Amino acid sequence: QSALTQPASVSGSPGQSITISCTGTSSDVGGYNYVSWYQQHPGKAPKLMIYDVSNRPSGVSNRFSGSKSGNTASLTISGLQAEDEADYYCSSYTSSSTLNVFGTGTKVTVL
Amino acid sequence: QVTLRESGPALVKPTQTLTLTCTFSGFSLSTSGMCVSWIRQPPGKALEWLALIDWDDDKYYSTSLKTRLTISKDTSKNQVVLTMTNMDPVDTATYYCARGGGLDAFDIWGQGTMVTVSS
Repeated sequence: QSALTQPASVSGSPGQSITISCTGTSSDVGGYNYVSWYQQHPGKAPKLMIYDVSNRPSGVSNRFSGSKSGNTASLTISGLQAEDEADYYCSSYTSSSTLNVFGTGTKVTVL
Repeated sequence: QVTLRESGPALVKPTQTLTLTCTFSGFSLSTSGMCVSWIRQPPGKALEWLALIDWDDDKYYSTSLKTRLTISKDTSKNQVVLTMTNMDPVDTATYYCARGGGLDAFDIWGQGTMVTVSS
């Protein structure tokens, strides 16, 4: 089971919107609505930001939104803030024998 | 409040067996639908899902590591244990336990424990 593909880095200025893609296959991202997104600041544990493609857990800013089209899921951060600078990972359920797969990770830089 | 905490050795030698314990509170692994996963992250690299155990004692493993991993639970102690055999320097990583996995997102994570494999 290969990792889901994410861009290595994405950057934007404060107040702008950015989108991070997460590309898989019909066996994972494309086949199920069980895609989640995690934010990880340096030296910290990941934090759940989006689950089931587009749902936000309680307490997560509505500046974060998720979507999916075909085999690609996306995380959009609107009104970019300095505190959003972090690594972001997608994850999906997969029908392969490996139950879950993560993305390659994206470093978000706020210019 | 749901919390998870990983514990185990910080340093293991090549070929040794690693045993990690995840002690959790705020939920019960005997509750229908509940599950706990182990995930690791080598320094500067991406997250990698390793294993999951659910409330019904069903167990799932990463295909690439299946032969080396064993996951178990002690419901009375609120603990999940992961063993990994034949440790190699490439297994050097921060190991996390998290609630969830499978169809569920990993909603709560432990702080992680760094394991270095070196002679």
